[in-house]
Amino acid sequence: NAGVTQTPKFRVLKTGQSMTLLCAQDMNHEYMYWYRQDPGMGLRLIHYSVGEGTTAKGEVPDGYNVSRLKKQNFLLGLESAAPSQTSVYFCASRQAGVGQPQHFGDGTRLSIL
Amino acid sequence: EDKVVQSPLSLVVHEGDTVTLNCSYEVTNFRSLLWYKQEKKAPTFLFMLTSSGIEKKSGRLSSILDKKELFSILNITATQTGDSAVYLCAVERGSNYQLIWGAGTKLIIKP
Repeated sequence: NAGVTQTPKFRVLKTGQSMTLLCAQDMNHEYMYWYRQDPGMGLRLIHYSVGEGTTAKGEVPDGYNVSRLKKQNFLLGLESAAPSQTSVYFCASRQAGVGQPQHFGDGTRLSIL
Repeated sequence: EDKVVQSPLSLVVHEGDTVTLNCSYEVTNFRSLLWYKQEKKAPTFLFMLTSSGIEKKSGRLSSILDKKELFSILNITATQTGDSAVYLCAVERGSNYQLIWGAGTKLIIKP
């Protein structure tokens, strides 16, 4: 079972470069989420989606954009990377309805020089 | 402002000991409280708690929620080195099931 798959696993960027992180889930989940995790802090929600074609801002959306053109994929874009965006990024998905936990991918470690 | 606070931030015990991890919260539109275990990569789901006073149990791990006092505890009995991890507490809120996360408790089990 693949579950939630994130690509790439590691990436180093220079300030000002752009890139896209891909999250793919094979569980037919409606909800998908992008988080960042920084040392000493909890996961913080960047953007989320409640279904194909929908996106919404989370707690820390500035500097990021997302798209959900297909139900199984949720893309996170950095248009102009900044050192403050150095972090570990996690994607999660969840089935609709109450009582369902979020399931996580293995994360992408991103360094901005 | 919604917040989730975990304590202690770190804990070192010996194999065989029992540990109690704490999670307190102030979150509007509360739906449930979740515990996750994070080793090197993805957080993995442990428990979801929605009702006060009902213990959830899985092997040596158990958890309970107090919605009046706004906290939860995670107990691990007869700890093993494989229990070493960061334990994350999160509160689910609102119609879009967003999670508000604590900073985690780093648990180290010494042989």
